[in-house]
Amino acid sequence: SQQGEEDPQALSIQEGENATMNCSYKTSINNLQWYRQNSGRGLVHLILIRSNEREKHSGRLRVTLDTSKKSSSLLITASRAADTASYFCATAAQAGTALIFGKGTTLSVSS
Amino acid sequence: GAVVSQHPSRVICKSGTSVKIECRSLDFQATTMFWYRQFPKQSLMLMATSNEGSKATYEQGVEKDKFLINHASLTLSTLTVTSAHPEDSSFYICSARGGRQGAGGTEAFFGQGTRLTVV
Repeated sequence: SQQGEEDPQALSIQEGENATMNCSYKTSINNLQWYRQNSGRGLVHLILIRSNEREKHSGRLRVTLDTSKKSSSLLITASRAADTASYFCATAAQAGTALIFGKGTTLSVSS
Repeated sequence: GAVVSQHPSRVICKSGTSVKIECRSLDFQATTMFWYRQFPKQSLMLMATSNEGSKATYEQGVEKDKFLINHASLTLSTLTVTSAHPEDSSFYICSARGGRQGAGGTEAFFGQGTRLTVV
C-alpha cells in the first residue's frame, strides 16, 4: 500500500527558480527519504531525515519534517535543467523496514 | 554508498515464458531485499520482502506463485516472473538492506531496475 502523497503531482519552473515539493504520510515513521528518478531509470537517493529531526540540508536541497502534521517538504534551490526528474518521498515505519513510496512529483525545469 | 547490481536492465519475452531477474549486493551482505514494481508514470509499489534463507513475504494482491522470489544467499536475490503476460510488463526494482554500517542499516540501496516487456 502507498503511504505518501506528493503535492504537486507536476511542477514546471524556470532555471534558477526554487522548487518545493510536499509529501504527506499516514502512519508513524522512523525516517523519511527523498529520491530522484530520471525517466526510465533507477532511483537516486537524495536525503534521509529521521523522525527526531526537523530540518536537513544537503547542497541545494533542504528537507523539512513535521511529524505532528505527518508531512515533509523538499526544497531545491536555484534549480537547473538537470534537476528535471520525478521526485518521490518514501517512509520507513521502523529502521530497516521496507520503504513505502509516495506517488511522486514530476519536476520540469526549463532553461 | 553500497552497490546493488540488478540484471538484466532490459528484457523482452514472449507471453507464457518465464523471466528471471537477479539482484546482487556487491560489497555488503544483504540480509533483506525488497522487490518493487513500477508501472509507467506511477510510483513504486512494494511487491515482497525477502530475508536470506527464508520464504518471502508478499504484499497483498501480489501472487506468490507468479512472482517467485528466492534469496538463497546474503548477496543474491532473484525474482522470477512465471508465465508472463503483457500486463506484467513493468519496471522492476530491487533494494537491499544490510550495509557496511552493520545490520539494521537505515538506508536502502537500490538496483538500477529491470524493464520487462512481454509481447
